[in-house]
Amino acid sequence: AQSVSQHNHHVILSEAASLELGCNYSYGGTVNLFWYVQYPGQHLQLLLKYFSGDPLVKGIKGFEAEFIKSKFSFNLRKPSVQWSDTAEYFCAVNAGGYGGATNKLIFGTGTLLAVQP
Amino acid sequence: DAGVTQSPTHLIKTRGQQVTLRCSPKSGHDTVSWYQQALGQGPQFIFQYYEEEERQRGNFPDRFSGHQFPNYSSELNVNALLLGDSALYLCASSLEGLAVYNEQFFGPGTRLTVL
Repeated sequence: AQSVSQHNHHVILSEAASLELGCNYSYGGTVNLFWYVQYPGQHLQLLLKYFSGDPLVKGIKGFEAEFIKSKFSFNLRKPSVQWSDTAEYFCAVNAGGYGGATNKLIFGTGTLLAVQP
Repeated sequence: DAGVTQSPTHLIKTRGQQVTLRCSPKSGHDTVSWYQQALGQGPQFIFQYYEEEERQRGNFPDRFSGHQFPNYSSELNVNALLLGDSALYLCASSLEGLAVYNEQFFGPGTRLTVL
């Protein structure tokens, strides 16, 4: 069965610090990988996604993630965080395939990021 | 363009009761998925509806059931509520197609508290 592990449950950073959140998944086949963000009081939003091709993907608000197949990892990075990045971040995976039948997302437990001004 | 909407926002029930949660998908979307997010956890897939039928299901008991209407809106029903059913219930919609992945858009959720 697929699973997703997020190693950092709670991260506290000062503004302008660099961010890296770890994500590992377990699935031997083709996967699609995602990072979702949930800002305080708001709903889950897609931050970035990886399907194929360049393993370094760029998302909104300056975030990027690198897919390392050999390590089953998809870590999220941002060179310089802002107070407005305070949110909960979820890594998610679904098995590769076509069409809506594969739209089942498996989420990690989330990382709560607090950025201090 | 209306996004995914859910009702009610909050709900308090007692053990053994039954509850119905509602979801309207984003305009133009035809597929609805439901997730349960317990406190401190990531969302867990409950089931997905397409063409008014349950297409796939996660590891949830039969107490959890759903329905999709011709206008693509959906309901999640939970019978014989347990304390452990307390959670945020999320609805996500997408458009069925031949893409590798059909992006899901999430609603704000319904917070269910079982006393």
